[in-house]
Amino acid sequence: EVVLTQSPGTLSLSPGERATLSCRASQSVSRRYLAWYQRKPGQAPRLLIYGASSRATDIPDRFSGSGSGTDFTLTISRLEPEDFAVYYCQQYDVPPQTFGQGTKLEIK
Amino acid sequence: EVQLVESGGDLVQPGGSLRLSCAASGFSLGSYAMSWVRQAPGKGLQWVSMISESGDNTWYAGSGKGRFTISRDVSKNTLYLQMDSLRAEDAAIYYCARRRLGQLSIYDYWGQGTLVTVSS
Repeated sequence: EVVLTQSPGTLSLSPGERATLSCRASQSVSRRYLAWYQRKPGQAPRLLIYGASSRATDIPDRFSGSGSGTDFTLTISRLEPEDFAVYYCQQYDVPPQTFGQGTKLEIK
Repeated sequence: EVQLVESGGDLVQPGGSLRLSCAASGFSLGSYAMSWVRQAPGKGLQWVSMISESGDNTWYAGSGKGRFTISRDVSKNTLYLQMDSLRAEDAAIYYCARRRLGQLSIYDYWGQGTLVTVSS
């Protein structure tokens, strides 16, 4: 199965800063079938990005996704207080679909 | 408003059984494929099982094949996961998730999860 490795494990930043989260796949994810989700404590995960770079409904434009092949990135241009959460990437190209272990974005 | 509410998580002994439920509202289960996804302590998310929009097709991750059964009751708008022969490594928070319309496994709505503990 495709192993997704997210880095860093924890990212400490301040509101207003730019966050760059990485997701690396053990083999190429063709057709850019990669999604990003946000999860806050006690809340349901929320779809942010699909198709590597398409924002889901009602997702602010400070969230953007990029990448192809084995390297993908989620960028949050200017962090808002509500953005501090755990972020997961998911590939849905090669069965079984797999998720990364997550990056925790915490307030510095 | 779309909502998914899981229930049924509990403490169970190794070898025991448990049935999880996911009550859906704001849409019909008969129109969407649904999955169960779990997260064990300290681990990432792991897809467990999926049922197709028609309910005719089901898929399982290797870890649950032969032990888990996904099903649904469209009249009750509820998704189920029957888990048998539970092992310590099945302990996790179990989420139900709705797959976006289409054939790609992108999940647009999730529940908040239900906790399964497997211990003697």
